[in-house]
Amino acid sequence: DAGITQSPRHKVTETGTPVTLRCHQTENHRYMYWYRQDPGHGLRLIHYSYGVKDTDKGEVSDGYSVSRSKTEDFLLTLESATSSQTSVYFCAITAGSTQYFGPGTRLTVL
Amino acid sequence: AQSVSQHNHHVILSEAASLELGCNYSYGGTVNLFWYVQYPGQHLQLLLKYFSGDPLVKGIKGFEAEFIKSKFSFNLRKPSVQWSDTAEYFCAVGETGGGADGLTFGKGTHLIIQP
Repeated sequence: DAGITQSPRHKVTETGTPVTLRCHQTENHRYMYWYRQDPGHGLRLIHYSYGVKDTDKGEVSDGYSVSRSKTEDFLLTLESATSSQTSVYFCAITAGSTQYFGPGTRLTVL
Repeated sequence: AQSVSQHNHHVILSEAASLELGCNYSYGGTVNLFWYVQYPGQHLQLLLKYFSGDPLVKGIKGFEAEFIKSKFSFNLRKPSVQWSDTAEYFCAVGETGGGADGLTFGKGTHLIIQP
């Protein structure tokens, strides 16, 4: 599946703590994305990147930041996690105008 | 802004029944259209896509979808479902050109196939 891995796959944390999720791809894709999936909402775009150090906000970017210092890695940071950020987070890449998704990270904020 | 509407949030069918899941989108320009499937506990997998050309597209596992431009619709169909089709199905829209912008997803349809 387009060589995408995400880490960690599961994480439980407490309100107010910082959290960083990692997306790693092995096929040198230019575009990378972070989505969150919540029941009744489908997937919503958090941030995306169109190259190293080039990122932009998506639909639900508040409370999240991203960084891309290397082509292969796209990091999502929750500066101070809140319970509303409990979700499943998916990373995606674009190849041939089609997006392919990573396995997801299930994050629980207590 | 784009929006995607999936008409049915939950669908329950018996094996061998025919399936049609509705999807309508709102966007002023030309779009790329997708259906993704998410099996329980797994990530999203591409079922099929439409970029241009023949409006009837065929995907994996016997699924097909028809793009009707005048109705802004991209409905998913399968003539005979199987128990293994139990999953969540998402319709998604993206701008043409394959640029950086992400996809806009519908809220999903949870399909349950009863044996």
